[in-house]
Amino acid sequence: QVQLLESGPGLVKPSETLSLTCTVSGDSITNYYWSWIRQSPGKGLEWIGYIYHLGNTNSNPSLKSRVTISIDTSKNQFALRLTSVTAADSAVYYCAKSAYHGKETFDVWGQGTLVNVSS
Amino acid sequence: DIQMTQSPSSLSAAVGDRVTITCQASQDINNHLNWYQQKPGKAPNLLIYDVSSLEPGVPSRFSGRGSGTHFSLIIRSVQPEDVATYYCQQDDDLPNTFGQGTKVEIK
Repeated sequence: QVQLLESGPGLVKPSETLSLTCTVSGDSITNYYWSWIRQSPGKGLEWIGYIYHLGNTNSNPSLKSRVTISIDTSKNQFALRLTSVTAADSAVYYCAKSAYHGKETFDVWGQGTLVNVSS
Repeated sequence: DIQMTQSPSSLSAAVGDRVTITCQASQDINNHLNWYQQKPGKAPNLLIYDVSSLEPGVPSRFSGRGSGTHFSLIIRSVQPEDVATYYCQQDDDLPNTFGQGTKVEIK
């Protein structure tokens, strides 16, 4: 059974870079697509982007210029970098696994990690 | 982006009631419609994919229907453990987008 665990700082200063890591256990990271999704009271659930181990990535056009998603198959981890953050980027950030039947259908989620952007 | 509009935003039902939540897409999404359940303090959980396919382990009292731009999630006989917020999501077009959620409470 696949399990996901997000890790990273809970507080980031405005204009700095938010960095999170998702550790995958229970299966190989090479078998699926992997996404980052965030949830805030103001914007609800917002998909950030996905990655596949062969290098395929895609991200939400609203965030594309600030988002980098990378993958480390040796550690079974993938990561999110979001640059030039503002208070609007404060949210609970989830990593999620894509279902076999749809790369943007999310059948396993991490527990989420709260990130506040504040000085 | 495709806009997903859910109604109602919240509802209160008695145990055993039939509950219907609707989701309207701003354009045809070719039946690429998923439903998630989110309990307080937890991550969303996939219930239904592709309009009506039940995810393994999801109780059969949950069902989905619809086509084109209009979709529904039905809870045939709502139970206390169904207290949650429910979200629809389209994954027909990038970026995939979610509805704003429907909060279900028990009277």
